[in-house]
Amino acid sequence: EIVLTQSPGTLSLSPGERATLSCRASQSVSFNYLAWYQQKPGQAPRLLIYDASSRATGIPDRFSGSGSGTDFALTISRLEPEDSAVYYCQQYGISPMYSFGQGTKLEIK
Amino acid sequence: EVQVLESGGDLVQPGGSLRLSCAASGFTFSTYAMSWVRQAPGKGLEWVSSISGSGGSTYYADSMKGRFTVSRDNSRNTLYLHMNALRADDTAQYYCAKGGRATGRFFDPWGQGTLVTVSS
Repeated sequence: EIVLTQSPGTLSLSPGERATLSCRASQSVSFNYLAWYQQKPGQAPRLLIYDASSRATGIPDRFSGSGSGTDFALTISRLEPEDSAVYYCQQYGISPMYSFGQGTKLEIK
Repeated sequence: EVQVLESGGDLVQPGGSLRLSCAASGFTFSTYAMSWVRQAPGKGLEWVSSISGSGGSTYYADSMKGRFTVSRDNSRNTLYLHMNALRADDTAQYYCAKGGRATGRFFDPWGQGTLVTVSS
């Protein structure tokens, strides 16, 4: 099983700043099959990024994914208050034994 | 519009059983793998189970094997999760999700979830 570790646990930033969230895998993720999701309180998760760097339909270009192998990142530029959420990474390189990271809480103050 | 909508969550006693349903619309249901993902209160996401588009292949997280059964009715565009021998740590919001690709992989979109509470 691939274990995903996200850091930091909580990130507090101001509107207009850039956020960089990290996701590290315990072993290499095949084909860079890694996704990122956003979850706001009381809502279901929403797909942001798949295949490490491809934006899902309707996702603003302020959201970008990068990385390969075991180290991946989600970058959110020009932060807006509505970006406050918990962000999860998920690997699907070993299909279908999927796994998620524990999440990073992003606070915009 | 692609949509999935869960139902069937309830309060159930330890050792009890429950069946969750997920109604899908807006896409050719039979050509996509479907999955269940759960989230315990205040916790992160945990993959539960997946099923291929035909229903011929099923997969489970280790802690659910032997207790949960995933199935689908492609004539009704509906996904199911049968849960037996429920335990307190099965208490969670259960989400249904469409595979991002025909073979599954990532999850898009997700339903709003249905709450399962296991308690005496």
